[in-house]
Amino acid sequence: QSALTQPPSVSGSPGQSVTIPCTGTSSDIGGYKSVSWYQHHPGKAPKLMIYDVNKRPSGVPDRFSGSKSGNTASLTISGLQAEDETDYFCCSYAGNYTYVFGTTTKVTVL
Amino acid sequence: EVQLVQSGGEVKKPGESLQISCKGSGYSFNTYWIGWMRQMPGKGLEWMGIIYPGDYDTRYSPSLQGQVTISADKSIRTAYLQWSSLKASDTGMYYCARQGSSSDAFDIWGQGAVVTVSS
Repeated sequence: QSALTQPPSVSGSPGQSVTIPCTGTSSDIGGYKSVSWYQHHPGKAPKLMIYDVNKRPSGVPDRFSGSKSGNTASLTISGLQAEDETDYFCCSYAGNYTYVFGTTTKVTVL
Repeated sequence: EVQLVQSGGEVKKPGESLQISCKGSGYSFNTYWIGWMRQMPGKGLEWMGIIYPGDYDTRYSPSLQGQVTISADKSIRTAYLQWSSLKASDTGMYYCARQGSSSDAFDIWGQGAVVTVSS
């Protein structure tokens, strides 16, 4: 299993939107509706932001949204805020009770 | 409060054994899968395996099978990750996380445990 591919960094000004792509294969992202996204402040426990491609857990702002097209999933942060500056990673089911994570993207608020 | 609390950081020598733990509280521990993930220095997370404490059904990443053992003791609401012979390449941060009931996303995470293997 190879890690899902994410860009090392994305950036945007406050109020703008940023999109983080997460590219896999037909054996993981493309094959299942099981993509999740996590926000991770270094040194803290990761936080679930999106599950099942585009669902938000209770308490996650609706500025965060998820989508998928083919073998690529995406996390979009609309109305970027300073508190959104941190690391984000994706995860996909990969069959046979296995999972694969993305390479992590650092979001910078300019 | 639903939480997973992991054991503390460890410093070990190559060849030594180690077991780290992940204790759940605030929910029905037996009925949620617990996964283990590692993050090597400067790298993204890697999924290691998963266990269902209710019947101890365990699945491993094909690339890690045989290198670690995942177990649990439902009587004390604790999952474990164990090495019989550590290598320097096992150095990293290790997280446990609970899979949600309505999806297989990991909805609750432990705080992480740093494992350092050095001679």
